[in-house]
Amino acid sequence: EDQVTQSPEALRLQEGESSSLNCSYTVSGLRGLFWYRQDPGKGPEFLFTLYSAGEEKEKERLKATLTKKESFLHITAPKPEDSATYLCAVQAFDKIIFGKGTRLHILP
Amino acid sequence: NAGVTQTPKFQVLKTGQSMTLQCAQDMNHEYMSWYRQDPGMGLRLIHYSVGAGITDQGEVPNGYNVSRSTTEDFPLRLLSAAPSQTSVYFCASSRDEGYEQYFGPGTRLTVT
Repeated sequence: EDQVTQSPEALRLQEGESSSLNCSYTVSGLRGLFWYRQDPGKGPEFLFTLYSAGEEKEKERLKATLTKKESFLHITAPKPEDSATYLCAVQAFDKIIFGKGTRLHILP
Repeated sequence: NAGVTQTPKFQVLKTGQSMTLQCAQDMNHEYMSWYRQDPGMGLRLIHYSVGAGITDQGEVPNGYNVSRSTTEDFPLRLLSAAPSQTSVYFCASSRDEGYEQYFGPGTRLTVT
């Protein structure tokens, strides 16, 4: 069964404390993996697309990586404004599957 | 550019009522989609369209209809609202299927 699992469900960090969010997937025919950020009461906002194992993308304090089974979103020296829910989505051959997200809270 | 717009922002319906959620985009995107987001669950695809005149079902299409008469607009119709349709609905668009999607601000729907 095609599946996308994000962990942890929630994460609290001190400002400046680096960490990683995980997105593991089992799908047939991966066409792309997407990371989105969602603030409370708003729609998801696109961050990154990864297409093949070994690919990496960076934007400010965020870095996304991809292997054949999972993706990581690394957050370096986070700030309170990085607090949000981070969603992972996998585009398979005939469907798109979203994970349930990781709620990230950065304490000042 | 306004991006993806959705109306209304909030709506309360009684069981059995019908309504249309509006979605429009000004980015000339071919692909548009509707999702629902429920607590503890990921976004689930309701219906999608790969271009004007073409629509298809997603994961949870029952109780919803869509049409795509223009590139810009993709309305979602609830035929006979049920409490199980209480959710937050997001419309999204992308230049083509398989590319990053741009989401609207959402419609929070409550069915009593």
